Amino acid sequence: DAGITQSPRHKVTETGTPVTLRCHQTENHRYMYWYRQDPGHGLRLIHYSYGVKDTDKGEVSDGYSVSRSKTEDFLLTLESATSSQTSVYFCAISDPLSPSGNTIYFGEGSWLTVV
Amino acid sequence: DQQVKQNSPSLSVQEGRISILNCDYTNSMFDYFLWYKKYPAEGPTFLISISSIKDKNEDGRFTVFLNKSAKHLSLHIVPSQPGDSAVYFCAAYRGDTGRRALTFGSGTRLQVQP
Repeated sequence: DAGITQSPRHKVTETGTPVTLRCHQTENHRYMYWYRQDPGHGLRLIHYSYGVKDTDKGEVSDGYSVSRSKTEDFLLTLESATSSQTSVYFCAISDPLSPSGNTIYFGEGSWLTVV
Repeated sequence: DQQVKQNSPSLSVQEGRISILNCDYTNSMFDYFLWYKKYPAEGPTFLISISSIKDKNEDGRFTVFLNKSAKHLSLHIVPSQPGDSAVYFCAAYRGDTGRRALTFGSGTRLQVQP
């Protein structure tokens, strides 16, 4: 295991409510990512971070925001959840200066259902 | 615009035989390629990778081949085992951006028959 913990692992929420997913890593990796997985699309990048307070948008960032105030934590927030955001969310980490070099490791996923 | 494509949604092979999973990409700026294996209800697990300066990388039963001119890579699993049954994702990123933002294919479901 790559020392990545996602919480919550499962959540059901109502349309219009805010939701925050947390990714916690113990590897001290600089880069962190949030992806979503939907049928027929593989995994798509939502946002990523290349250091504390440094974040950038990915391919499907609309409706999502992120924050990284500490190296080990990367938060994904849905400001007002919609049914189209029902998905499985994966956090990932990477650091080119680490022994793992060019590899990107994934967490176990957070299943979010918006009703 | 799908920059990484896995055109076979599924593949079935017999135990002990070779499994070949294919992946095509369109973005010539990609220079690092990774294969992940995913079981249901789990996160993707890294399998093997290859950089664009190589055309082959081997790790045990897994070998990845890269054909840059054709923008094609393949994952060979020999011999295939029932435990290899999973969804396999091909992914790529551009090393020049320094961000390592992966672009994924849509996956191929491999079933290894005992």
